[in-house]
Amino acid sequence: NAGVTQTPKFRILKIGQSMTLQCTQDMNHNYMYWYRQDPGMGLKLIYYSVGAGITDKGEVPNGYNVSRSTTEDFPLRLELAAPSQTSVYFCASSYIAGTIAQETQYFGPGTRLLVL
Amino acid sequence: GQQLNQSPQSMFIQEGEDVSMNCTSSSIFNTWLWYKQDPGEGPVLLIALYKAGELTSNGRLTAQFGITRKDSFLNISASIPSDVGIYFCAGQRNFGNEKLTFGTGTRLTIIP
Repeated sequence: NAGVTQTPKFRILKIGQSMTLQCTQDMNHNYMYWYRQDPGMGLKLIYYSVGAGITDKGEVPNGYNVSRSTTEDFPLRLELAAPSQTSVYFCASSYIAGTIAQETQYFGPGTRLLVL
Repeated sequence: GQQLNQSPQSMFIQEGEDVSMNCTSSSIFNTWLWYKQDPGEGPVLLIALYKAGELTSNGRLTAQFGITRKDSFLNISASIPSDVGIYFCAGQRNFGNEKLTFGTGTRLTIIP
């Protein structure tokens, strides 16, 4: 298993450009997440998905959109890039069933985004 | 949004020393997790705690779930160079609740 993979690893955008950060997991996990990590800070949840076709906002969703058409893929889209979106973006996945969740989130290697 | 308070923010220690760090919250969490992040990588789960008062070990790592459910501690014994990285705590409020709240991280540097 490759686990959680993310592409690209690094990208520079100009203000106002758009791009899609790709995330794929091959562990058949139902839950997937997108986080951003700013320098010296912990991770903040942008969006998450509990299964194909279902997405919900996290703590900092403004300026982002997601879709979950398949179990494996959870792309994150930036429509109008802004300097405040300069960050490292991590995708994660987990398997949750029922109410007793022995949850372990598996993280991808991250995408570093610089908006100039 | 809430983030958990971790201390210390950074540590500089010599190889072989023991390390202690903690994470506190103003509200209760029912699950505590400790992650390690190597430079340029995503976080990797080290230890998960599911019961108040629980003490769990993973090799040289030991973590405890505070009795009040508002804090957790991570200890690393006999540190080695590969322990370098950023350690994050994360809390989960409810069983089955998918969202994690992350701490601000403790950066560990080991002096040879």
